[in-house]
Amino acid sequence: NAGVMQNPRHLVRRRGQEARLRCSPMKGHSHVYWYRQLPEEGLKFMVYLQKENIIDESGMPKERFSAEFPKEGPSILRIQQVVRGDSAAYFCASSPQRSSYNEQFFGPGTRLTVL
Amino acid sequence: QQQVKQSPQSLIVQKGGIPIINCAYENTAFDYFPWYQQFPGKGPALLIAIRPDVSEKKEGRFTISFNKSAKQFSLHIMDSQPGDSATYFCAALDSGGGADGLTFGKGTHLIIQP
Repeated sequence: NAGVMQNPRHLVRRRGQEARLRCSPMKGHSHVYWYRQLPEEGLKFMVYLQKENIIDESGMPKERFSAEFPKEGPSILRIQQVVRGDSAAYFCASSPQRSSYNEQFFGPGTRLTVL
Repeated sequence: QQQVKQSPQSLIVQKGGIPIINCAYENTAFDYFPWYQQFPGKGPALLIAIRPDVSEKKEGRFTISFNKSAKQFSLHIMDSQPGDSATYFCAALDSGGGADGLTFGKGTHLIIQP
């Protein structure tokens, strides 16, 4: 049973470009969470999605960031017009149910570098 | 405002010793406290978790101690091994508050010396 998959593992973008990060949850999981990890910091929650629905985006920056989890295919975290401060590791996690006492299984992350 | 404070930031312990990592929280609505282990270049992996209805939970060499009145919890690693060298994160969740994301501490870099 494959774990949570994220790609690309490393992404380099120049300021002003767009970054698209993809996350395929574990088989049988329909709940996806995105987190951002800055250097020497813990993970910060960004957004929680179920298939075709954004449930909680309380941690998502109001501008330039968006997320989706379509009926078919992976969840996508999109960052428009990237700036140097967006450089971070972005992790997605999945769970079989809404995360009340349920383990969130994390992927290996995408490390975004903005030049 | 940091809702989960973790200490120490880094820790070096000799093999066989018992590293202890501490976390304190502010939000009394938190009711689920997991610990994650992260190796370089990897995603966090759940080690052990506790709910506030118990004061201690043990799984293998890992033990969580929980003090609800002090709003503190800690991770103890018994008979530590060099393979335990990693970054450890405590986290907390308010399962009834509508927030679905875990709130993480800043992490502890643990090195177990042979």
